[in-house]
Amino acid sequence: EPEVTQTPSHQVTQMGQEVILRCVPISNHLYFYWYRQILGQKVEFLVSFYNNEISEKSEIFDDQFSVERPDGSNFTLKIRSTKLEDSAMYFCASTRDSHQYFGPGTRLTVT
Amino acid sequence: DQQVKQNSPSLSVQEGRISILNCDYTNSMFDYFLWYKKYPAEGPTFLISISSIKDKNEDGRFTVFLNKSAKHLSLHIVPSQPGDSAVYFCAAYDGNNRKLIWGLGTSLAVNP
Repeated sequence: EPEVTQTPSHQVTQMGQEVILRCVPISNHLYFYWYRQILGQKVEFLVSFYNNEISEKSEIFDDQFSVERPDGSNFTLKIRSTKLEDSAMYFCASTRDSHQYFGPGTRLTVT
Repeated sequence: DQQVKQNSPSLSVQEGRISILNCDYTNSMFDYFLWYKKYPAEGPTFLISISSIKDKNEDGRFTVFLNKSAKHLSLHIVPSQPGDSAVYFCAAYDGNNRKLIWGLGTSLAVNP
C-alpha cells in the first residue's frame, strides 16, 4: 500500500537555526498538509498546499515558516529561525479527497 | 473555540468489552467525520469514516454512529483488544476549505 514518508525521523537543532523537514507524499495525491503536535497537546493544522501554492494556513504558520514542492515529489517545511516552542512532532499528510494519509512524523527538538 | 470536542481525555476498558469513544461538533456543514488512531511517536492512521448523510458505518470491530440532530458521533470498538490501546482522534472534514478539524483526542487503555 502506498504511504507517506518523512525524513529525518528526529532532528535536533539549536535555537535560531534553520531546519528543513522533508516529506514524500503519495504520488497521485493532489493536496498536501503539514501538522504539528506539541507533546501532550492536540494535533494542530499548519498549512495546506494545492497546485503549487498555499491554499490555507493557520495563525501558527507565520513568516518563519515556508513550504515548497521543489521537484514534484518532495514536499518540504522550512523553519527559518527555530524557537524552543517549535519543538514538536511534525506530520505531513496527503490526500485526493477527504481521507488524509499521514507520514510517521519528524520529531523536532530545539535546544 | 473548539469546533470538534472530545470531552473524555481518557478511557479504560477491560479486554473483550465494548469501548465507546464520543465526539461532539458545532458546525452542521461538515461533510465527513473521521476517526484516526495514533500510537506514541507515530503519525495518525485512518480508522473509519462516516459521511454526513449516513448514520452508521461499520468495519469489522469498529462502528461509527452519527447523530446529526445532536451533532454527536461515537466510535464503538467491540470486542476491545489490548492492541487497541492508543489515542483516538475525531476529525471533521470541512469540504469548503479542504481541511480536517481535529478533536483533542481520547486515550484508550484496554486492559488484559
